[in-house]
Amino acid sequence: EPEVTQTPSHQVTQMGQEVILRCVPISNHLYFYWYRQILGQKVEFLVSFYNNEISEKSEIFDDQFSVERPDGSNFTLKIRSTKLEDSAMYFCASSEARAQPQHFGDGTRLSIL
Amino acid sequence: GEDVEQSLFLSVREGDSSVINCTYTDSSSTYLYWYKQEPGAGLQLLTYIFSNMDMKQDQRLTVLLNKKDKHLSLRIADTQTGDSAIYFCADQTGANNLFFGTGTRLTVIP
Repeated sequence: EPEVTQTPSHQVTQMGQEVILRCVPISNHLYFYWYRQILGQKVEFLVSFYNNEISEKSEIFDDQFSVERPDGSNFTLKIRSTKLEDSAMYFCASSEARAQPQHFGDGTRLSIL
Repeated sequence: GEDVEQSLFLSVREGDSSVINCTYTDSSSTYLYWYKQEPGAGLQLLTYIFSNMDMKQDQRLTVLLNKKDKHLSLRIADTQTGDSAIYFCADQTGANNLFFGTGTRLTVIP
């Protein structure tokens, strides 16, 4: 069964450094998403992406975050200058169309030191 | 904003039925979802229900939706030890993003 894949599974970064999290969505899906889960808290929506642009974003998704689809398969989340509070599990998801079920990857655990 | 709530823990004996409950607040929900998360793994889509349906059955899983009370439940029949995991309820509103509950940790006792 097709699946969303995320790399790396665990990323450790010094505070203030830039980090890029990578995702390969399911190949025929058109909508892509990033969510995060801070330890002990709910999974929170960050951003959705369609047709090479952001379609929706939450208040969490401020100027330090950006997303990109650099080629036909990858979808990336960049955090420009990481803070301690960015430590979380980051999940990528994709769906065939708007308002269709979202399929999630296994997540990248980001640890900021 | 939307608020989705679940109880945190549920323990059942192997072979019994499990019922995991969820409440939500937004009246404009389109789909409601159940995801399963095993230790160290991602969010596995288990099942979902469209907001104009009352019930959906899929093998051992039964989803019940009471739209008036904004209450969603997931029943797992003949619960097995492999069903031990965290179960997340999620609500999709008019916007495309999902609102998740806190997750219910299901422990199946052999």
